[in-house]
Amino acid sequence: DAKTTQPPSMDCAEGRAANLPCNHSTISGNEYVYWYRQIHSQGPQYIIHGLKNNETNEMASLIITEDRKSSTLILPHATLRDTAVYYCIVRTSGGSYIPTFGRGTSLIVHP
Amino acid sequence: NAGVTQTPKFQVLKTGQSMTLQCAQDMNHNSMYWYRQDPGMGLRLIYYSASEGTTDKGEVPNGYNVSRLNKREFSLRLESAAPSQTSVYFCASRAQTSSGNTIYFGEGSWLTVV
Repeated sequence: DAKTTQPPSMDCAEGRAANLPCNHSTISGNEYVYWYRQIHSQGPQYIIHGLKNNETNEMASLIITEDRKSSTLILPHATLRDTAVYYCIVRTSGGSYIPTFGRGTSLIVHP
Repeated sequence: NAGVTQTPKFQVLKTGQSMTLQCAQDMNHNSMYWYRQDPGMGLRLIYYSASEGTTDKGEVPNGYNVSRLNKREFSLRLESAAPSQTSVYFCASRAQTSSGNTIYFGEGSWLTVV
């Protein structure tokens, strides 16, 4: 599976867009990019995933570069409740799937 | 829709005691997982079950046993608890679709071994 690299921490002002980068330069053609987040003392929560095209849902947008070697999770209007650890994961869609979570990016949204 | 439900939420054990963490999902998922998370650390996989009747070791299985009782339930047992097993335990299940995999987590079980 492709390895991902994320900055250990970031901060963002409330109401501004939070852009969380993820590098996955060894990604293969059939691997998806997934994002999860873990708010303090809670279980991780699925945010969004994509293969090639940019994706948007009610929580966030996912921008994947054309070469697919990196992606950015965008929280368009960050709130204090978005303070969490964000995990970027790259995996195939089928087969034996063992979800592996690294250290992620600790995002702090400040007033 | 309850999703993934874990019990108990909090537990204090004495060293050497045994206990079982219960996990159930109502989403008809085949795969289920148990993780532990220590302060400031990422999630580490203890055991997983790819389908009913099968279980496999993850990264940190020592000191634990699991049972996939049926498709809904996946329990984690500590036979003789040790202080090193003080942690937060998360159960998860996986939805596999043609467009990818989504993992659903329970709310966690806080275990302290004294």
